[in-house]
Amino acid sequence: GNSVTQMEGPVTLSEEAFLTINCTYTATGYPSLFWYVQYPGEGLQLLLKATKADDKGSNKGFEATYRKETTSFHLEKGSVQVSDSAVYFCALSPRNAGNMLTFGGGTRLMVKP
Amino acid sequence: GAVVSQHPSRVICKSGTSVKIECRSLDFQATTMFWYRQFPKQSLMLMATSNEGSKATYEQGVEKDKFLINHASLTLSTLTVTSAHPEDSSFYICSALGAGWETQYFGPGTRLLVL
Repeated sequence: GNSVTQMEGPVTLSEEAFLTINCTYTATGYPSLFWYVQYPGEGLQLLLKATKADDKGSNKGFEATYRKETTSFHLEKGSVQVSDSAVYFCALSPRNAGNMLTFGGGTRLMVKP
Repeated sequence: GAVVSQHPSRVICKSGTSVKIECRSLDFQATTMFWYRQFPKQSLMLMATSNEGSKATYEQGVEKDKFLINHASLTLSTLTVTSAHPEDSSFYICSALGAGWETQYFGPGTRLLVL
């Protein structure tokens, strides 16, 4: 079956530090991969996505590259801000599966000034 | 674009009553809507998938008679929690998908507290 594994949080960083949140997946075929962000008390917002191998998704300084050989989609940001504090979810959507999403467990990021 | 709203944002009800949560796509037609449940500090669990004009498809372990889903139009889906109990207290999130789209757009969520 399909599954997504994320590093457990919380991840606590100082402002301007480098961020990596690891995500690996198991799926048949070549799924689309997503990162969603959830701010406190809110629903999920799409942060970035990649639909095929070696694609790089990017948004708001965040990046993630679709690595088929390692089945990974790690999220990175060069310099985090306090406003980036949130829960980050990695997700996959298999092809021909009605765009259903399978989510990882989420990783809470806390950025301190 | 691609804005999804939910109403209400928070609801408190007594045990045994029913609660209806609305999910609307504001600027697009949603051929498919999804309903998720999220427990504190946990990930989202898909409850059901609904396509406009047809019956919802429920995930294993989700009681269809307890969680009634109606997707009556291309911009509105409702989730009714019938005879709510304290264990139904949770954060309910919907998402919507336009025809041919690959990306789901999520509503802000509804926090349900059953006393």
